[in-house]
Amino acid sequence: SAVISQKPSRDICQRGTSLTIQCQVDSQVTMMFWYRQQPGQSLTLIATANQGSEATYESGFVIDKFPISRPNLTFSTLTVSNMSPEDSSIYLCSVARNYYNEQFFGPGTRLTVL
Amino acid sequence: AQSVTQLDSQVPVFEEAPVELRCNYSSSVSVCLFWCVQCPNQGLQLLLKYLSGSTLVESINGFEAEFNKSQTSFHLRKPSVHISDTAEYFCAVSEGYGGSQGNLIFGKGTKLSVKP
Repeated sequence: SAVISQKPSRDICQRGTSLTIQCQVDSQVTMMFWYRQQPGQSLTLIATANQGSEATYESGFVIDKFPISRPNLTFSTLTVSNMSPEDSSIYLCSVARNYYNEQFFGPGTRLTVL
Repeated sequence: AQSVTQLDSQVPVFEEAPVELRCNYSSSVSVCLFWCVQCPNQGLQLLLKYLSGSTLVESINGFEAEFNKSQTSFHLRKPSVHISDTAEYFCAVSEGYGGSQGNLIFGKGTKLSVKP
């Protein structure tokens, strides 16, 4: 298995500021993903965090708004930039092991933007 | 493009009754299928998954799901639910050989409410 921790677990932020969310895994994993779950909605993939290269973003998400870093195989960060109330969501880090597609989810970061 | 449809947004049932949460998917290639559960104010957890082999998969808490390729379905069932099963359940698909894409496409979720 893989144990994932996220920091912070929740935060309340002011409009126009930025927040960086950290995701730490207790073992090396090939694939790491960032999802967003808006209130009352399902989860939507923001991007795949690639180790040593730029993240791969899904349609509707851009690097300027959601810059992602992945310096090694156990850690990634997601920044929510220039926040607005529409960014209020749960942000979820997820990892997958190749071939066997074991999926593990972090506890999520609950963000409220005022 | 792949997609997941959960036909029921809410399913209310009485305790000890059977329940089925429906999930259909669309994909042009082989897929892996998942059910995840999100308890109130808690994180998301993987409940069960189908990768290959036996089409009937089970979880440790009595849920089971059957992969039906011809009907492109992966319905979740439990013969007798408990109050503690109250949660939101998400069906998800991962595309590619052996699920090697890794990322999941989620359905909109079904809120299961178990009443005494």
